[in-house]
Amino acid sequence: AQTVTQSQPEMSVQEAETVTLSCTYDTSENNYYLFWYKQPPSRQMILVIRQEAYKQQNATENRFSVNFQKAAKSFSLKISDSQLGDTAMYFCAFRKGGSEKLVFGKGTKLTVNP
Amino acid sequence: KAGVTQTPRYLIKTRGQQVTLSCSPISGHRSVSWYQQTPGQGLQFLFEYFSETQRNKGNFPGRFSGRQFSNSRSEMNVSTLELGDSALYLCASSSGTGTRGTQPQHFGDGTRLSIL
Repeated sequence: AQTVTQSQPEMSVQEAETVTLSCTYDTSENNYYLFWYKQPPSRQMILVIRQEAYKQQNATENRFSVNFQKAAKSFSLKISDSQLGDTAMYFCAFRKGGSEKLVFGKGTKLTVNP
Repeated sequence: KAGVTQTPRYLIKTRGQQVTLSCSPISGHRSVSWYQQTPGQGLQFLFEYFSETQRNKGNFPGRFSGRQFSNSRSEMNVSTLELGDSALYLCASSSGTGTRGTQPQHFGDGTRLSIL
């Protein structure tokens, strides 16, 4: 079974600064996808970024980028130029190829301070 | 394009009752998955439906069931409610086309179920 671990329950960052959220996972699969989802207080889960395991290049979406270390089974999220609207719970998730099932970590509560 | 719609947004029930939650996926999406979110257990997968068939099921008791209709709308039902069933229930849809599991999932706002 796959597991996803987020070791930082809470983090805070000053507006305009950079913050990195950590995620490690455990799997024996070769074909899989990794995701970061954001859940603001409005509670809708919003996809931030995704990474295909077969791609060596790290995914980037505007201010969000990942550091995907396949051998170490590590998938961290970097948020640059943090904005107040980035305040939310962030969940790392794993999905094996051929399945729709997402396995989530426990989440990291990120607060961006003015 | 409208997003994933879940109804109702809030629900209060008492122990022993049963409840039905509804999810309308994004137009054209055929795969619907359900998740339970609690402070203690986090987000846990309940089940996934595609073209009216359950394709995958999480580790939940038989009191939790679901179905999908021909228009891809899905319902989940919980019978004999327990206090521990209090949670946010999230529905997610994806196109389900192409290679399974490659399309991103889009979530609804969830239904907050409280058991008294």
